[in-house]
Amino acid sequence: AAGVIQSPRHLIKEKRETATLKCYPIPRHDTVYWYQQGPGQDPQFLISFYEKMQSDKGSIPDRFSAQQFSDYHSELNMSSLELGDSALYFCASSLGQGHTEAFFGQGTRLTVV
Amino acid sequence: QKEVEQNSGPLSVPEGAIASLNCTYSDRGSQSFFWYRQYSGKSPELIMFIYSNGDKEDGRFTAQLNKASQYVSLLIRDSQPSDSATYLCAVIAGGSYIPTFGRGTSLIVHP
Repeated sequence: AAGVIQSPRHLIKEKRETATLKCYPIPRHDTVYWYQQGPGQDPQFLISFYEKMQSDKGSIPDRFSAQQFSDYHSELNMSSLELGDSALYFCASSLGQGHTEAFFGQGTRLTVV
Repeated sequence: QKEVEQNSGPLSVPEGAIASLNCTYSDRGSQSFFWYRQYSGKSPELIMFIYSNGDKEDGRFTAQLNKASQYVSLLIRDSQPSDSATYLCAVIAGGSYIPTFGRGTSLIVHP
């Protein structure tokens, strides 16, 4: 079965650079969530989209922005990167919101040097 | 207080034993509960979800939910070394659509 696809899998950027992470949800899933997971930490919710509209916002820095496109894929744009942004970034998708299971992509490992 | 609490472990059990993982949550209005397994450096993998009080079994896994006491647990029967991973509890609180994660419990199954 098709899963959530994230690209790239690994990304190395320098401080103050910009990065774009992409997420392709499971077909027919209309909800996308972005999470950030630092070493030894639990996934922290950043932002979510439902039917191409932002639905919830978590601990996403102002330097980050995201959107969901007409084909339901989502992109997380990260600017003015800092060393502390180094983490695993996961995208998850679900069918509908709330009382529903979310499935995670393989993640993008971002390293800021 | 974190919304979803888990003992970080590690929980060490011998192969073939039952592993019991616990999770408590603070929002009494929470409706949806999930268990994810995460291997080091990999993404969380959904293994169980439960919405109603009681037990839900799927193969070697049993999820137990007690809304009155605000806890959800995961039992793994006949534990295998391949079950060694971090188990994340996720809860969707009342009025929210977002799964909130606990810090996870590290499980070690030794031969």
